Amino acid sequence: KQEVTQIPAALSVPEGENLVLNCSFTDSAIYNLQWFRQDPGKGLTSLLLIQSSQREQTSGRLNASLDKSSGRSTLYIAASQPGDSATYLCAVSSQGGKLIFGQGTELSVKP
Amino acid sequence: ETGVTQTPRHLVMGMTNKKSLKCEQHLGHNAMYWYKQSAKKPLELMFVYSLEERVENNSVPSRFSPECPNSSHLFLHLHTLQPEDSALYLCASSQVQGARGYTFGSGTRLTVV
Repeated sequence: KQEVTQIPAALSVPEGENLVLNCSFTDSAIYNLQWFRQDPGKGLTSLLLIQSSQREQTSGRLNASLDKSSGRSTLYIAASQPGDSATYLCAVSSQGGKLIFGQGTELSVKP
Repeated sequence: ETGVTQTPRHLVMGMTNKKSLKCEQHLGHNAMYWYKQSAKKPLELMFVYSLEERVENNSVPSRFSPECPNSSHLFLHLHTLQPEDSALYLCASSQVQGARGYTFGSGTRLTVV
């Protein structure tokens, strides 16, 4: 059974810092891994999608890496801003179209 | 807007009521999903529809009844719910197997009183 774990559960940083969010999964037989952002009480916004054959994806200040063999992904946020404050969710897609989520990292960026 | 639209955004219902949640996508996807998000818990997959056929039912109580009349629409019919069913219900869509990622709606915040 696939399990996804995100560390840390919560993170508070001053504005301008570079930061790394971690995601690990137990079954390396995945199709892809997706990072989402969720603002309080809102739906999920897709940030980055990494296919199982890829090592990383970049979008603006965000960079996500994938090491499928070790079951790990990281989301790197450069020059953090208060507007980046949200919960960040990692999810892996496995056979049957199931998308399994971690519990998320709640990020707070202080001005 | 993400391309997946959920209505209503908020719903308050009594335990004896019957209501329905609606999800609509025009992204050309052929798989649709219902997820439940309770406070401080990971998103829980409830139902998966692929090519309009239900392919997954994750031990969801029968008081939740999904319906997928076509590839663009998904409903979740609710009846005799319990207060612990209060949560954010999220709909998502994808190509079959999620090869190009998943798109989520904004969710319906359900409160059962």
